[in-house]
Amino acid sequence: AIQMTQSPSSLSASVGDRVTITCRASQGIGNDLGWYQQKPGRAPKLLIYGASSLQSGVSSRFSGSGSGTDFTLTINSLQPEDFAAYYCLHDYNFPWAFGQGTKVEI
Amino acid sequence: EVQLVQSGAEVKKPGESLKISCMGSGYTFINYWIGWVRQMPGKGLEWMGIVFPGDSDTRYSPSIQGQVTISVDTSITTAYLQWNSLKASDTGIYYCARRWKYRDGAAGDAFDYWGQGTLVTVSS
Repeated sequence: AIQMTQSPSSLSASVGDRVTITCRASQGIGNDLGWYQQKPGRAPKLLIYGASSLQSGVSSRFSGSGSGTDFTLTINSLQPEDFAAYYCLHDYNFPWAFGQGTKVEI
Repeated sequence: EVQLVQSGAEVKKPGESLKISCMGSGYTFINYWIGWVRQMPGKGLEWMGIVFPGDSDTRYSPSIQGQVTISVDTSITTAYLQWNSLKASDTGIYYCARRWKYRDGAAGDAFDYWGQGTLVTVSS
């Protein structure tokens, strides 16, 4: 099974900062990767699909890049509502797998 | 409006059985896979498995296989996650989510809609 390694596990940032989170797959997955945001007590929310496509209704502050084994989620000009946990998820084949998550804190 | 509505919180004892549900509405239920995701207390998300309501094709994570059963009842547009004998380590929040195919061919999927989550507490 493909494993996803996400880093960092947590980071501290300020409003207005640019934040970068990375995910590495244990083997090539093309661009079959999504990014999800989860706020405390809430279900996850899809932000990015296909490694770089912005889900409808999601702020353009969020962007994704990468292919193969290395992927990045970038949040530009961090806003108060962006403080949350972020997860990558590969959908290359079954079983899908999440990264361990990154908690973005103030 | 697409909605996935999950059953309410459960408190169970070790060894008991449990079946939680996820009802889909606002779309053609049989055309979209439904996945289940576990979140243990204070931990990350874990992909458990997925079922296609159209033919009940089911796939499990190797780490979950044999511990739970995923099923569907298309007559009531509902997917289920079932345990025959709960353990304390099954405590957590369980989410269902709809698999959205944004690209034809292999892969090209994401979870686009999520249920609100079901909290399962297993304690003696």
